[in-house]
Amino acid sequence: AQSVAQPEDQVNVAEGNPLTVKCTYSVSGNPYLFWYVQYPNRGLQFLLKYITGDNLVKGSYGFEAEFNKSQTSFHLKKPSALVSDSALYFCAVSSHGSSNTGKLIFGQGTTLQVKP
Amino acid sequence: EADIYQTPRYLVIGTGKKITLECSQTMGHDKMYWYQQDPGMELHLIHYSYGVNSTEKGDLSSESTVSRIRTEHFPLTLESARPSHTSQYLCASSEWGRQYEQYFGPGTRLTVT
Repeated sequence: AQSVAQPEDQVNVAEGNPLTVKCTYSVSGNPYLFWYVQYPNRGLQFLLKYITGDNLVKGSYGFEAEFNKSQTSFHLKKPSALVSDSALYFCAVSSHGSSNTGKLIFGQGTTLQVKP
Repeated sequence: EADIYQTPRYLVIGTGKKITLECSQTMGHDKMYWYQQDPGMELHLIHYSYGVNSTEKGDLSSESTVSRIRTEHFPLTLESARPSHTSQYLCASSEWGRQYEQYFGPGTRLTVT
């Protein structure tokens, strides 16, 4: 079965410090991986994706993610956290199937809290 | 911000009422999705559509129904709302292909009293 796991319900980091939000996946075949962010009372905003190529993917707002095939991970990172980065983060993988559905399987979400 | 819209943003209604949550997008996307987001914040796919006159049930069973008569419009209807339907409902759309990201609307927060 295909799945995505975000092992941490919450990540706390001080402003200016680097941050990492973890994601591991289990899929058959090549994974298409995505990160989204959700601010309170808002929909999800797309941050970045890995389809193929360079394992380090850069996205919006200074975020980046590293695809590691051997560890089946796609951790979200930022070199220097901002208080405004505090939000709910979702990792997702595009499901495989007999049809090109584009359905996403989401992790359970990780709340990032950046303290001043 | 993506060009996908949901109305209303907030809705409080009584048990037994019929409601329709509106979702529209101006990007010409074939694929559209409805998610239910529970208090624990997990997302559950309840309906999706590949195009006009195409609708499928998602991974989470839902008493709601959807229709897709126009490419840009994907409304969700509850014939008789119950308190268990209280949730956040998110609509999304994407281009055809697994490599494309989904664009999300701002959501409708529904409370059934």
